[in-house]
Amino acid sequence: DTEVTQTPKHLVMGMTNKKSLKCEQHMGHRAMYWYKQKAKKPPELMFVYSYEKLSINESVPSRFSPECPNSSLLNLHLHALQPEDSALYLCASSQEGGASYNEQFFGPGTRLTVL
Amino acid sequence: AQSVTQLGSHVSVSEGALVLLRCNYSSSVPPYLFWYVQYPNQGLQLLLKYTTGATLVKGINGFEAEFKKSETSFHLTKPSAHMSDAAEYFCAVNPRGNQFYFGTGTSLTVIP
Repeated sequence: DTEVTQTPKHLVMGMTNKKSLKCEQHMGHRAMYWYKQKAKKPPELMFVYSYEKLSINESVPSRFSPECPNSSLLNLHLHALQPEDSALYLCASSQEGGASYNEQFFGPGTRLTVL
Repeated sequence: AQSVTQLGSHVSVSEGALVLLRCNYSSSVPPYLFWYVQYPNQGLQLLLKYTTGATLVKGINGFEAEFKKSETSFHLTKPSAHMSDAAEYFCAVNPRGNQFYFGTGTSLTVIP
Protein backbone atom coordinates (compact mmCIF):
# COMPACT_ATOMS: atom_id res chain seq x y z
CA ASP A 1 0.00 0.00 0.00
CA THR A 2 1.73 3.17 -1.22
CA GLU A 3 -1.15 5.51 -0.70
CA VAL A 4 -1.85 8.47 1.52
CA THR A 5 -5.56 9.02 2.04
CA GLN A 6 -7.25 12.22 3.12
CA THR A 7 -10.79 12.91 4.25
CA PRO A 8 -12.91 14.76 3.54
CA LYS A 9 -12.22 15.61 -0.07
CA HIS A 10 -14.10 18.90 0.21
CA LEU A 11 -15.05 20.94 3.27
CA VAL A 12 -17.05 24.13 3.58
CA MET A 13 -17.14 25.76 6.98
CA GLY A 14 -18.14 28.97 8.64
CA MET A 15 -15.77 31.08 10.66
CA THR A 16 -17.25 29.87 13.93
CA ASN A 17 -17.20 26.16 13.12
CA LYS A 18 -14.85 23.50 14.40
CA LYS A 19 -13.85 20.80 11.96
CA SER A 20 -11.04 18.29 11.47
CA LEU A 21 -9.08 17.00 8.51
CA LYS A 22 -7.83 13.44 8.58
CA CYS A 23 -4.83 11.81 6.92
CA GLU A 24 -3.82 8.15 6.96
CA GLN A 25 -0.92 6.11 5.60
CA HIS A 26 0.04 2.47 5.98
CA MET A 27 3.53 2.54 4.50
CA GLY A 28 5.29 2.43 7.85
CA HIS A 29 6.46 6.02 7.43
CA ARG A 30 7.41 7.81 10.63
CA ALA A 31 7.38 11.38 9.29
CA MET A 32 4.11 13.08 8.38
CA TYR A 33 3.44 16.58 7.10
CA TRP A 34 0.70 19.12 6.65
CA TYR A 35 0.95 21.61 3.80
CA LYS A 36 -1.27 24.47 2.71
CA GLN A 37 -1.48 25.23 -0.99
CA LYS A 38 -3.05 28.22 -2.68
CA ALA A 39 -3.93 28.11 -6.36
CA LYS A 40 -0.94 28.13 -8.70
CA LYS A 41 1.49 28.25 -5.75
CA PRO A 42 3.82 25.64 -4.29
CA PRO A 43 2.83 23.83 -1.11
CA GLU A 44 3.69 25.72 2.07
CA LEU A 45 4.86 23.59 4.96
CA MET A 46 2.76 23.94 8.11
CA PHE A 47 3.74 21.10 10.43
CA VAL A 48 6.04 18.10 10.54
CA TYR A 49 5.62 15.13 12.85
CA SER A 50 8.52 12.77 13.40
CA TYR A 51 7.85 9.58 15.38
CA GLU A 52 4.50 11.06 16.44
CA LYS A 53 6.13 14.14 17.92
CA LEU A 54 5.78 17.62 16.49
CA SER A 55 9.20 18.54 15.14
CA ILE A 56 8.47 21.55 12.93
CA ASN A 57 5.80 24.22 13.31
CA GLU A 58 6.21 26.89 10.68
CA SER A 59 4.67 29.67 12.80
CA VAL A 60 1.17 28.56 11.95
CA PRO A 61 -1.72 30.42 13.67
CA SER A 62 -3.19 28.63 16.66
CA ARG A 63 -6.54 28.23 14.89
CA PHE A 64 -4.80 25.26 13.23
CA SER A 65 -4.04 22.47 15.68
CA PRO A 66 -2.28 19.30 14.52
CA GLU A 67 -2.51 15.94 16.20
CA CYS A 68 -0.72 12.66 15.55
CA PRO A 69 -2.55 9.93 17.52
CA ASN A 70 -0.38 7.13 16.12
CA SER A 71 2.21 6.48 13.44
CA SER A 72 -0.41 6.01 10.71
CA LEU A 73 -2.76 8.87 11.43
CA LEU A 74 -2.49 12.64 11.29
CA ASN A 75 -5.26 15.10 12.05
CA LEU A 76 -5.57 18.84 11.58
CA HIS A 77 -8.13 20.47 13.84
CA LEU A 78 -9.62 23.72 12.57
CA HIS A 79 -11.32 26.40 14.66
CA ALA A 80 -12.32 30.00 14.02
CA LEU A 81 -10.78 30.06 10.57
CA GLN A 82 -10.68 33.08 8.32
CA PRO A 83 -11.70 33.26 4.65
CA GLU A 84 -8.03 33.59 3.70
CA ASP A 85 -7.49 30.11 5.10
CA SER A 86 -9.41 28.70 2.13
CA ALA A 87 -6.96 26.49 0.27
CA LEU A 88 -6.02 22.92 -0.62
CA TYR A 89 -4.61 21.17 2.44
CA LEU A 90 -2.18 18.41 1.59
CA CYS A 91 -0.90 15.65 3.80
CA ALA A 92 2.33 13.82 3.04
CA SER A 93 4.47 11.13 4.61
CA SER A 94 8.04 9.90 4.26
CA GLN A 95 10.52 7.54 5.78
CA GLU A 96 12.35 9.10 8.66
CA GLY A 97 15.95 10.25 8.37
CA GLY A 98 19.01 8.08 8.27
CA ALA A 99 19.94 6.76 4.86
CA SER A 100 16.44 7.13 3.47
CA TYR A 101 15.89 9.39 0.53
CA ASN A 102 13.07 11.21 2.21
CA GLU A 103 10.79 11.08 -0.79
CA GLN A 104 7.46 12.48 0.25
CA PHE A 105 4.23 10.75 -0.70
CA PHE A 106 1.28 13.11 -0.99
CA GLY A 107 -2.40 12.57 -0.44
CA PRO A 108 -5.01 14.01 -2.82
CA GLY A 109 -5.77 16.90 -0.49
CA THR A 110 -8.80 18.45 1.16
CA ARG A 111 -10.26 21.47 -0.59
CA LEU A 112 -11.28 23.82 2.25
CA THR A 113 -13.59 26.80 1.79
CA VAL A 114 -14.17 29.16 4.71
CA LEU A 115 -17.24 31.36 4.41
CA ALA B 1 20.25 28.52 2.92
CA GLN B 2 18.40 26.32 0.50
CA SER B 3 16.43 27.57 -2.47
CA VAL B 4 14.98 26.34 -5.70
CA THR B 5 14.45 28.44 -8.80
CA GLN B 6 12.18 27.37 -11.63
CA LEU B 7 12.67 29.58 -14.65
CA GLY B 8 9.44 30.21 -16.46
CA SER B 9 6.18 30.09 -14.52
CA HIS B 10 4.37 29.19 -17.74
CA VAL B 11 5.66 27.02 -20.57
CA SER B 12 3.71 26.22 -23.73
CA VAL B 13 4.71 23.53 -26.19
CA SER B 14 3.06 21.92 -29.17
CA GLU B 15 1.95 18.34 -28.96
CA GLY B 16 4.88 16.16 -30.00
CA ALA B 17 7.49 18.82 -29.25
CA LEU B 18 10.26 18.65 -26.70
CA VAL B 19 9.37 19.59 -23.14
CA LEU B 20 12.08 21.37 -21.11
CA LEU B 21 11.34 22.64 -17.63
CA ARG B 22 14.20 24.31 -15.81
CA CYS B 23 15.23 23.95 -12.19
CA ASN B 24 18.26 25.39 -10.42
CA TYR B 25 19.00 24.93 -6.77
CA SER B 26 21.29 26.26 -4.13
CA SER B 27 22.26 24.03 -1.28
CA SER B 28 25.07 23.92 1.23
CA VAL B 29 25.30 20.14 0.86
CA PRO B 30 24.64 17.84 -2.11
CA PRO B 31 20.87 17.57 -2.01
CA TYR B 32 18.32 15.05 -2.98
CA LEU B 33 16.36 16.42 -5.93
CA PHE B 34 12.80 15.72 -7.01
CA TRP B 35 10.29 16.60 -9.67
CA TYR B 36 6.61 16.40 -8.81
CA VAL B 37 3.58 16.85 -11.06
CA GLN B 38 0.20 18.13 -9.94
CA TYR B 39 -2.95 17.78 -11.99
CA PRO B 40 -5.88 20.10 -11.22
CA ASN B 41 -7.45 19.51 -7.82
CA GLN B 42 -5.11 16.64 -7.04
CA GLY B 43 -2.13 16.03 -4.80
CA LEU B 44 1.48 15.95 -5.92
CA GLN B 45 2.77 12.86 -7.70
CA LEU B 46 6.46 12.02 -7.86
CA LEU B 47 7.84 12.00 -11.40
CA LEU B 48 11.44 11.20 -10.59
CA LYS B 49 14.18 11.75 -8.08
CA TYR B 50 17.95 12.04 -7.92
CA THR B 51 19.68 10.72 -4.84
CA THR B 52 23.11 9.35 -5.74
CA GLY B 53 24.75 7.53 -8.63
CA ALA B 54 23.76 8.04 -12.25
CA THR B 55 23.11 11.67 -12.99
CA LEU B 56 20.55 10.99 -15.72
CA VAL B 57 17.37 9.89 -14.02
CA LYS B 58 14.40 8.38 -15.77
CA GLY B 59 10.94 8.76 -14.35
CA ILE B 60 7.35 7.96 -15.11
CA ASN B 61 5.41 9.00 -18.22
CA GLY B 62 8.58 9.32 -20.34
CA PHE B 63 10.15 12.14 -18.31
CA GLU B 64 13.80 12.32 -17.40
CA ALA B 65 16.09 14.78 -15.68
CA GLU B 66 19.82 15.28 -15.48
CA PHE B 67 21.65 16.36 -12.36
CA LYS B 68 24.48 18.75 -13.23
CA LYS B 69 26.42 19.60 -10.13
CA SER B 70 28.62 22.17 -11.87
CA GLU B 71 25.54 24.07 -13.01
CA THR B 72 23.47 23.31 -9.86
CA SER B 73 20.68 22.29 -12.19
CA PHE B 74 18.14 19.51 -12.46
CA HIS B 75 16.15 20.24 -15.62
CA LEU B 76 13.19 18.06 -16.58
CA THR B 77 12.75 16.90 -20.17
CA LYS B 78 10.43 14.80 -22.27
CA PRO B 79 11.15 14.19 -25.95
CA SER B 80 7.55 14.40 -27.15
CA ALA B 81 4.78 16.25 -25.31
CA HIS B 82 1.36 14.70 -24.96
CA MET B 83 -1.87 16.48 -24.17
CA SER B 84 -2.05 14.60 -20.88
CA ASP B 85 1.22 16.26 -19.76
CA ALA B 86 -0.58 19.56 -19.18
CA ALA B 87 -0.20 20.17 -15.45
CA GLU B 88 1.76 22.07 -12.81
CA TYR B 89 5.31 20.87 -12.24
CA PHE B 90 7.31 21.46 -9.07
CA CYS B 91 11.00 20.95 -8.52
CA ALA B 92 12.01 20.28 -4.93
CA VAL B 93 15.22 19.81 -3.00
CA ASN B 94 15.81 18.02 0.23
CA PRO B 95 19.27 18.90 1.55
CA ARG B 96 18.91 16.27 4.25
CA GLY B 97 16.31 15.70 6.89
CA ASN B 98 12.58 16.19 6.70
CA GLN B 99 12.18 19.56 5.10
CA PHE B 100 11.51 19.96 1.40
CA TYR B 101 12.09 23.23 -0.43
CA PHE B 102 9.78 23.63 -3.41
CA GLY B 103 10.26 25.81 -6.43
CA THR B 104 7.48 28.19 -7.43
CA GLY B 105 6.19 25.79 -10.06
CA THR B 106 5.86 25.76 -13.83
CA SER B 107 2.51 25.46 -15.52
CA LEU B 108 2.82 23.41 -18.68
CA THR B 109 0.34 23.93 -21.51
CA VAL B 110 0.32 21.54 -24.45
CA ILE B 111 -1.09 22.96 -27.67
CA PRO B 112 -2.79 20.51 -30.03
